[in-house]
Amino acid sequence: DAKTTQPTSMDCAEGRAANLPCNHSTISGNEYVYWYRQIHSQGPQYIIHGLKNNETNEMASLIITEDRKSSTLILPHATLRDTAVYYCIVRVDLTGFQKLVFGTGTRLLVSP
Amino acid sequence: GAVVSQHPSRVICKSGTSVKIECRSLDFQATTMFWYRQFPKQSLMLMATSNEGSKATYEQGVEKDKFLINHASLTLSTLTVTSAHPEDSSFYICSARRTTQETQYFGPGTRLLVL
Repeated sequence: DAKTTQPTSMDCAEGRAANLPCNHSTISGNEYVYWYRQIHSQGPQYIIHGLKNNETNEMASLIITEDRKSSTLILPHATLRDTAVYYCIVRVDLTGFQKLVFGTGTRLLVSP
Repeated sequence: GAVVSQHPSRVICKSGTSVKIECRSLDFQATTMFWYRQFPKQSLMLMATSNEGSKATYEQGVEKDKFLINHASLTLSTLTVTSAHPEDSSFYICSARRTTQETQYFGPGTRLLVL
């Protein structure tokens, strides 16, 4: 199954864009890239997902490279409430059981 | 996004007792539900996957007789930790998905403390 590599931690100033990278060099052609975040002591929150094309929603933008070996989650104007652990996940599909396997994620700290 | 709830949010029990945690999809019917466990300062670890009306599929190393999972309806799954011990103390999180093509949504988690 494809695995992801993310920086352990990142800092961002409030109001600035937060760009969170993720490497998934062994991703298969039909595997999606998902992003979730987990604020302390809460369940993970879905942010965005994509296959090949760049995606944008009210929370964030997802930029996927043409070779699909890496992606970047962009929070355009980070706020203090965006401080969380961000997980980049490739959705594993094993004989119809599609499940999300979490890595260690990136701890984003947004400061005033 | 879809809403998933868990009950209770936190529970304290004595060693040797059993604890049941409920997971409900509030505004959609979930054909598949997942149970995760998270220890302090660690990532989420998938314990099992259950499809409505079928037996759960457990991940390697997870004891199916200790962690009983029931997914009897499209909106409810339960995880029962049998004969709980202090090492079972953890943050248990469920998630639910309507179909295989759709996004997985997570509950708020249940913090279990076994004394």
